[in-house]
Amino acid sequence: RKEVEQDPGPFNVPEGATVAFNCTYSNSASQSFFWYRQDCRKEPKLLMSVYSSGNEDGRFTAQLNRASQYISLLIRDSKLSDSATYLCVVNVHSWGKLQFGAGTQVVVTP
Amino acid sequence: GAGVSQSPSNKVTEKGKDVELRCDPISGHTALYWYRQSLGQGLEFLIYFQGNSAPDKSGLPSDRFSAERTGGSVSTLTIQRTQQEDSAVYLCASSLLDAQEDYTFGSGTRLTVV
Repeated sequence: RKEVEQDPGPFNVPEGATVAFNCTYSNSASQSFFWYRQDCRKEPKLLMSVYSSGNEDGRFTAQLNRASQYISLLIRDSKLSDSATYLCVVNVHSWGKLQFGAGTQVVVTP
Repeated sequence: GAGVSQSPSNKVTEKGKDVELRCDPISGHTALYWYRQSLGQGLEFLIYFQGNSAPDKSGLPSDRFSAERTGGSVSTLTIQRTQQEDSAVYLCASSLLDAQEDYTFGSGTRLTVV
């Protein structure tokens, strides 16, 4: 079983619509959670951290459910520029080794 | 420099040859990580450096893989006797101490073994 699992998609989303997707993690000792964005043939870039109380950054909302061991990302008012692969990232250690999911592809269409 | 720099950006090598991949982290970042990403896969951790020492090299897939870091700065990942399954994008990241939110990736080296 993979340590971080994601629905690979693609999620095809009309421009302006809302899309949401989850990822699950297997290690209950996981300490930190992140969403990264990766564009085609580019390096991953931090989109946002995920906090226990849930957090928002503009059109993006992240939630953490420790009991069920999943995190979610919701994108409101989708833009064409939101088309990318979204990587769910978990940290088990006190230092920076990160565990990455394989990503969820989002395609925003005009 | 302003970001994490990796070289070469692309490398095609023949099966059985050795290759060296270089990573120049952000100045002052003491932590450095190597990952690899195969086509359609998530990033796979290879090795972590804190300064010049590697407290976690658990992700190195075989003894053909080795890495070093000198002067607390530049790191080199060496793959000996390359195999076709080594083909992937090798990504380096650096961070200030262990601050995970400060993680910055380089643009990677795309390795193709033919």
